[in-house]
Amino acid sequence: DGGITQSPKYLFRKEGQNVTLSCEQNLNHDAMYWYRQDPGQGLRLIYYSQIVNDFQKGDIAEGYSVSREKKESFPLTVTSAQKNPTAFYLCASSMYRQPNTEAFFGQGTRLTVV
Amino acid sequence: ILNVEQSPQSLHVQEGDSTNFTCSFPSSNFYALHWYRWETAKSPEALFVMTLNGDEKKKGRISATLNTKEGYSYLYIKGSQPEDSATYLCASNTYGNNRLAFGKGNQVVVIP
Repeated sequence: DGGITQSPKYLFRKEGQNVTLSCEQNLNHDAMYWYRQDPGQGLRLIYYSQIVNDFQKGDIAEGYSVSREKKESFPLTVTSAQKNPTAFYLCASSMYRQPNTEAFFGQGTRLTVV
Repeated sequence: ILNVEQSPQSLHVQEGDSTNFTCSFPSSNFYALHWYRWETAKSPEALFVMTLNGDEKKKGRISATLNTKEGYSYLYIKGSQPEDSATYLCASNTYGNNRLAFGKGNQVVVIP
């Protein structure tokens, strides 16, 4: 089945540790995105990538890093520099240069930093 | 940062009643308006993507309209059912840009 997969679903980490969230898609989409959701807030864009080996900062990129070495994969690293990392993280993908087409989402990863 | 606003933030609807809610977005350089339904423990799923002023789209009992000149879209649910309980997300992007800016969502609870 075509789709977008995030893992793990729940993640616990100690403060000060880096953690990497996985996002894989087999939809042949060029564009991939990472969003963060906090209670009472909309989805906020962290990073996005429109083609392999290229990515851009979103609205809240500080404390995060990404890579896009393969079309199918767009991992997000939450670094120790991120001051408030506990949140729900959603990955999405879409066709590049077709902003009138829908985005597809993973099921999300809930990260808790203790 | 595009400012997308949705209202009301949450609403309770009696089963069988119809309801609607609003998404407002910047009209300058507008390209597309997206509606997604996000059910608990699932991924957001696309309902509609609209680009033209006056667009109206329908999927079953759910429909949406678009006014790009004044920067708003309405989502309507006719004859609400418990399975319509979800958060409805509105998102907008500007011309030639894949970046979607989301509103906070409209959380709908249908009471049997």
